[in-house]
Amino acid sequence: ETGVTQSPTHLIKTRGQQVTLRCSSQSGHNTVSWYQQALGQGPQFIFQYYREEENGRGNFPPRFSGLQFPNYSSELNVNALELDDSALYLCASSLPPISSGHSYEQYFGPGTRLTVT
Amino acid sequence: QKEVEQNSGPLSVPEGAIASLNCTYSDRVSQSFFWYRQYSGKSPELIMSIYSNGDKEDGRFTAQLNKASQYVSLLIRDSQPSDSATYLCAVTQANNDMRFGAGTRLTVKP
Repeated sequence: ETGVTQSPTHLIKTRGQQVTLRCSSQSGHNTVSWYQQALGQGPQFIFQYYREEENGRGNFPPRFSGLQFPNYSSELNVNALELDDSALYLCASSLPPISSGHSYEQYFGPGTRLTVT
Repeated sequence: QKEVEQNSGPLSVPEGAIASLNCTYSDRVSQSFFWYRQYSGKSPELIMSIYSNGDKEDGRFTAQLNKASQYVSLLIRDSQPSDSATYLCAVTQANNDMRFGAGTRLTVKP
C-alpha cells in the first residue's frame, strides 16, 4: 500500500460525455502526476501538478485538464470522451522534481478503470 | 525510435534462476531511472530507483546503470513464482515527463 488513493475504481461513460477522476497523494508528497495506461502498454504521462500549477505535460490534447488543491489532492478531467480514452488512469505522488530530468520516486495509486462506450 | 525500449518478452526462467531485464533510453538529459513491477490488473509498484552509474542492490534485486551506453538493467536473483509479472522501466525526461517502456513480461516456472 502506497497511501495514494484514487476514486472511483471503475467507471463507464458514453462517448462525448465528460469525466472527473480524483486522487489523494501520499502523506508528505506535494507533487501529483497523472498517467494513462492502455492495455498491454506502459503508462503514458499526461501531466504533473506541483503547487497547484501544471508542471509538465505530455502529448495529450487540451480536453485533458487537471487541478491540484491546497491539500495536494488532484483531479483529472476529460471532456468529449472518445472510445480511445478507455484505459487505466493512474495517479502517482512524489516529492517535487529536483531539476531537469532528475526526479524523486513516484508512488502509484490503484488506478481508475475507465470504459467509454 | 522509442524513448524507452524494453524487450517485450515473454521471458521465462526456472525458479531459483537469475532473471535479467534490460532497458535502453534515448534522452541523454535523463538522470533518474526506475524499475516498477506490475501484476495483471494492478497498478505499478516501485522496485528500485537508480541515479548514478554502477550497481545498486536491494535484497534479491540489483539495478545497473550505464549512462554512456544509455542502458539500465534489473537482475532478480533466486527468482520466485511470485516474481512473475510485467516489469516496467521508467526514465525521467527534461520536462518532468516520466517515460515508461512497454514492459517485459516475466514468468518464473516452479
